[in-house]
Amino acid sequence: GAVVSQHPSWVICKSGTSVKIECRSLDFQATTMFWYRQFPKQSLMLMATSNEGSKATYEQGVEKDKFLINHASLTLSTLTVTSAHPEDSSFYICSARDLTSNIQYFGAGTRLSVL
Amino acid sequence: DQQVKQNSPSLSVQEGRISILNCDYTNSMFDYFLWYKKYPAEGPTFLISISSIKDKNEDGRFTVFLNKSAKHLSLHIVPSQPGDSAVYFCAAFLFQGAQKLVFGQGTRLTINP
Repeated sequence: GAVVSQHPSWVICKSGTSVKIECRSLDFQATTMFWYRQFPKQSLMLMATSNEGSKATYEQGVEKDKFLINHASLTLSTLTVTSAHPEDSSFYICSARDLTSNIQYFGAGTRLSVL
Repeated sequence: DQQVKQNSPSLSVQEGRISILNCDYTNSMFDYFLWYKKYPAEGPTFLISISSIKDKNEDGRFTVFLNKSAKHLSLHIVPSQPGDSAVYFCAAFLFQGAQKLVFGQGTRLTINP
């Protein structure tokens, strides 16, 4: 199946710094990518929908100034956690939908730990 | 409002037997349904999908059944193997509008040797 590559898989940072997570669709083009967050023992929570060439659409309660999303090309979306705090520590997962199959593929996730 | 529900948080099945995971939904407009498998600290892995115009789709050991009148779908895994132990999520989406995947809460499947 199609592959979505997410990098880095694990990052530790100091409180107050910014962290960028990359998401790439490797063998298909994705006009739309999705960013999720997973809390322990809970399902995936959609944070925002990333649209190529336009602004991302954020879910209710998600701070757009804190979680900056850029979708500069049909194969790359980035999530930047700005001024990270310990409560931002979580597992972040990106996803992209292959329009030819309607299957949404997921990256392997990024474990963010903010000290 | 939980539009996609997996009412069984866990399921335990003997190796070699059939595993049946269930999912109910409330929005009759959903166009497409997917099943994902997830291990801890990893992203979900796509397993199998089904369009709302079909009632069955099969791929190897995995078969998904869709009952639109009951707003119910199920994933059958046969024969079950120890490597199938994971959390399984069903998901649904609409082609119209935001096209966001709506996930169920997940069912933890344990395959016992």
